[in-house]
Amino acid sequence: DGGITQSPKYLFRKEGQNVTLSCEQNLNHDAMYWYRQDPGQGLRLIYYSQIVNDFQKGDIAEGYSVSREKKESFPLTVTSAQKNPTAFYLCASSIIGTSNEKLFFGSGTQLSVL
Amino acid sequence: AQTVTQSQPEMSVQEAETVTLSCTYDTSESNYYLFWYKQPPSRQMILVIRQEAYKQQNATENRFSVNFQKAAKSFSLKISDSQLGDTAMYFCAQTQGGSEKLVFGKGTKLTVNP
Repeated sequence: DGGITQSPKYLFRKEGQNVTLSCEQNLNHDAMYWYRQDPGQGLRLIYYSQIVNDFQKGDIAEGYSVSREKKESFPLTVTSAQKNPTAFYLCASSIIGTSNEKLFFGSGTQLSVL
Repeated sequence: AQTVTQSQPEMSVQEAETVTLSCTYDTSESNYYLFWYKQPPSRQMILVIRQEAYKQQNATENRFSVNFQKAAKSFSLKISDSQLGDTAMYFCAQTQGGSEKLVFGKGTKLTVNP
């Protein structure tokens, strides 16, 4: 079945450590996104990519980095510069140029600080 | 900056009754898309309904319908014959900058009581 796979489901970060969240899709979608969800805050866009080897900052990109070396993969690295990384992270993908069809979401990664 | 406002942090409804969730948005764009997403306790994001701004007809999906008032920038969700499985967080979202990026509201926690 086609879909988006996020791993791991739970992740713990030590202070000063970089951690990477995985996102893989087999939907052949061009665009991929990373959102952060905090309680009572809704979802906020971190980074997005519409084509391989290209990505743009979203509303809260500071302390995060991404890469898009393959169409299927869009990993997110939470760097030590992100001082409040505890949150639920959602990856999504979509087709471009089809009258804004819906986003397909992964099942998320809960990141916590030790 | 575009904003999406959900003024009801929490709501409850009795099983089989009807409930309406409110959403207002702010945009200067002439064409955009509006969405309602459901997030049950599993935290998987599920698309409930989608509305294209240039279509005057309100979208309907089974028990879910919207009241889209473009001039008032209002996009409310009506759930008829509420079921226990409708218990979830509901997020209103709008496309941003003519792209597939979404701006989300902070959500409404809906509880359906037996």
